[in-house]
Amino acid sequence: NAGVTQTPKFQVLKTGQSMTLQCAQDMNHNSMYWYRQDPGMGLRLIYYSASEGTTDKGEVPNGYNVSRLNKREFSLRLESAAPSQTSVYFCASSEGLAGVDEQFFGPGTRLTVL
Amino acid sequence: EDKVVQSPLSLVVHEGDTVTLNCSYEVTNFRSLLWYKQEKKAPTFLFMLTSSGIEKKSGRLSSILDKKELSSILNITATQTGDSAIYLCAVPMIKAAGNKLTFGGGTRVLVKP
Repeated sequence: NAGVTQTPKFQVLKTGQSMTLQCAQDMNHNSMYWYRQDPGMGLRLIYYSASEGTTDKGEVPNGYNVSRLNKREFSLRLESAAPSQTSVYFCASSEGLAGVDEQFFGPGTRLTVL
Repeated sequence: EDKVVQSPLSLVVHEGDTVTLNCSYEVTNFRSLLWYKQEKKAPTFLFMLTSSGIEKKSGRLSSILDKKELSSILNITATQTGDSAIYLCAVPMIKAAGNKLTFGGGTRVLVKP
C-alpha cells in the first residue's frame, strides 16, 4: 500500500501559469481533501470531496479548482498562479467523515510562484 | 466563526523535560478533537478525543480533553530529540456536504540534546 501519493514533489511556476497537482490514494477511502500550509498558519482546507462525485469549498478556495476524477484520484488546479499561492500543498484522505475517521496525508508538494 | 487556537507558538526544551501543549476551540456541534505530529513532511495522526473518550495515552504522550474549558492539552514526558516536530490540533466542522477539519496554527517543539 502506497497510501496517499502526490505529484509533483516540487514545482516552480511563473505568475499566470497554470498547473494541476495530482493526488491518489489506494486505501479505498471515500473522502479526500486538499490543504495548503504556510509558515505559522497550520493547515488550511482548500477543497474537499466527501464522496465520489461531490466537492465543496473549504476555508481558502479562491484561485483553485478541483476534480474528483474517481474514488482514488482528486486533483487540484491552479488556473492562473499568483505569488500568494506559494505554499506547501497536502492531499489527505479518510475512510469516512473528517473527525470521525483518521485522515492520512500525502508527502506534500512544494510550490513556488515567481 | 469556528476557530482553533494553539499555544505556545514554539518552545525549546532539553531531553528529559516535560512539555505541555494547549489547544482551545470554539465550534458549534463539537464532536471530536484530533492531535497530529508533523516532522519534516506529512502530518501523522496521534490521538482523537471525543465526549466519550476524553483521555488518551500512548507511551510518553498523553492528551486530555476539557469540554468545560473548550480545550485540550498534549503532554510529552521524558522528551527525546525525536519528539522535535510541529504539533497540530484540529476540530471537525460538521457540514451537510461532509465534515471538514479546522486546524490550529501548530506548536513547534525543539528538543535539544
